Amino acid sequence: GQQLNQSPQSMFIQEGEDVSMNCTSSSIFNTWLWYKQDPGEGPVLLIALYKAGELTSNGRLTAQFGITRKDSFLNISASIPSDVGIYFCAGQLVVYSGGGADGLTFGKGTHLIIQP
Amino acid sequence: NAGVMQNPRHLVRRRGQEARLRCSPMKGHSHVYWYRQLPEEGLKFMVYLQKENIIDESGMPKERFSAEFPKEGPSILRIQQVVRGDSAAYFCASSGGQRNIQYFGAGTRLSVL
Repeated sequence: GQQLNQSPQSMFIQEGEDVSMNCTSSSIFNTWLWYKQDPGEGPVLLIALYKAGELTSNGRLTAQFGITRKDSFLNISASIPSDVGIYFCAGQLVVYSGGGADGLTFGKGTHLIIQP
Repeated sequence: NAGVMQNPRHLVRRRGQEARLRCSPMKGHSHVYWYRQLPEEGLKFMVYLQKENIIDESGMPKERFSAEFPKEGPSILRIQQVVRGDSAAYFCASSGGQRNIQYFGAGTRLSVL
């Protein structure tokens, strides 16, 4: 099956620093998604990417869909304490014409820890 | 507009008992997905359902696990004769609309004693 390699596994940063994380895949995806998960909660969608080369921003977050369709990155600028959490990339291959889509393939997550 | 609702949030079962996890999709969504998350891992896809149909169960264990999404009522993930290895967080997602983005519930944390 498809596998996503997400790096780094964890990041220790100072408040105000910029953050960068990425995902690479052994095969192509047609949609890349980035989610954030807080302890005891479900993943919350941050950014969705639909086309190779697409660059999309959501506030301080910026993500790109790689040209090869096998990778994506997420940047967070000027980190703040509430950015702490686990960030997951997810890839999706098929969206059905009649609605619905196949299951997402998730990376193992990047733990973001902000040092005081 | 309520989000994806899962209950219970926490479920404790002894080995050999049955676990039933419920998921109500977002209003207007007709596609439901179940995922399992082990500690320090990403989510793993289990099954995708539409009303009264299982579309893709490629991630579902062949034994003891079943899922349904009836015409009326929530989707149910059922685990029979639970074992300690079933302890995990189980998440439900729903999707709808043109892009079919999956939105997740808060999960059910199953502990098997």
